[in-house]
Amino acid sequence: ETGVTQTPRHLVMGMTNKKSLKCEQHLGHNAMYWYKQSAKKPLELMFVYNFKEQTENNSVPSRFSPECPNSSHLFLHLHTLQPEDSALYLCASSPVTTSNTGELFFGEGSRLTVL
Amino acid sequence: GQQLNQSPQSMFIQEGEDVSMNCTSSSIFNTWLWYKQDPGEGPVLLIALYKAGELTSNGRLTAQFGITRKDSFLNISASIPSDVGIYFCAGTSGSRLTFGEGTQLTVNP
Repeated sequence: ETGVTQTPRHLVMGMTNKKSLKCEQHLGHNAMYWYKQSAKKPLELMFVYNFKEQTENNSVPSRFSPECPNSSHLFLHLHTLQPEDSALYLCASSPVTTSNTGELFFGEGSRLTVL
Repeated sequence: GQQLNQSPQSMFIQEGEDVSMNCTSSSIFNTWLWYKQDPGEGPVLLIALYKAGELTSNGRLTAQFGITRKDSFLNISASIPSDVGIYFCAGTSGSRLTFGEGTQLTVNP
């Protein structure tokens, strides 16, 4: 139990569906992240939020839309995805981003399959 | 962009053996970290290193921050079956955190 909870753990969707991934952290952190993990590739940073404000968008296609209503919750809204978007999506949190020691607390991930 | 070269990509060992893996880069990093990802879980931080030359242990795990600040290694002694998983190195430079591709470790009982 890392204090970061992701739902759903598994999601299968068609290319025309709209779905959302949810992340909640109980650690009192102010920074939250979305990462994409594909087989045999390094973790790819997608978005960073610091104190609810988006501070980084790593050239992510607009079919991925993040939302951070408060420092404890982070969503990733998905629409018109492609099969190559199938991957494990990891949420992480840290106290703040500015010091960036690299110490992240990850959730268990949401395994997404796009048909 | 910055890249971390992690090796080996995979290891198959017998229980009780020692394991060594490393990460190298052409760039200098300010912090080196090692994460472990169990099957079906997210990565968990094992060891964080903040100074060049620093050697840190966490139980059977030992990691070092290379003097040149361009490399790090992780050793696991007397491996056990629960050591199985993917081990990732990571480094920070400024505000950027970069991950290696991971080392898949399999431990045969």
